Amino acid sequence: GNSVTQMEGPVTLSEEAFLTINCTYTATGYPSLFWYVQYPGEGLQLLLKATKADDKGSNKGFEATYRKETTSFHLEKGSVQVSDSAVYFCALSFNDMRFGAGTRLTVKP
Amino acid sequence: DVKVTQSSRYLVKRTGEKVFLECVQDMDHENMFWYRQDPGLGLRLIYFSYDVKMKEKGDIPEGYSVSREKKERFSLILESASTNQTSMYLCASSLTSRETQYFGPGTRLLVL
Repeated sequence: GNSVTQMEGPVTLSEEAFLTINCTYTATGYPSLFWYVQYPGEGLQLLLKATKADDKGSNKGFEATYRKETTSFHLEKGSVQVSDSAVYFCALSFNDMRFGAGTRLTVKP
Repeated sequence: DVKVTQSSRYLVKRTGEKVFLECVQDMDHENMFWYRQDPGLGLRLIYFSYDVKMKEKGDIPEGYSVSREKKERFSLILESASTNQTSMYLCASSLTSRETQYFGPGTRLLVL
């Protein structure tokens, strides 16, 4: 079946550090890929998405590229801020939405 | 903006009680979902609905039921609450099964 595996956390970085959170997927067809973010005390919200191979999703300085050859959708940001502290979920959607386990990011000033 | 609201942010119930969690969306979405979120397990799908009065089991439906009498409202019912149902419950909606899901703020349920 379809599934997502993402990098385990927690991840702790200093402000302005480079962020990568790895995400790989297994799917029988051609899914859409998503990154969602959950800030403390809130539900999940869409951060970015890509619907086909080689698409790059971007938002708020975050980027991820849909790599079909490596079945990956890694999340990157060049310079993190304290306000980026949250839990990040990779997800794929084909007939239904499958979420990774989540990666908690803490950014220290 | 899509808005998904959930009836309670926090609930405390006793073992054996019947518990109702309500979710309302305001964007005329066809699909609605109930998940539970537990540390280290991510989101697990309990039930979803693709139309009024239609429902499908997710990965962990045992101990839960749902009701969708109107398009905008999707209720999760714990028939007899147990301590292992202590969790965060998230409702979501989407236009189609492949599209972005929009989430409510969650209900943190504690069963004593």
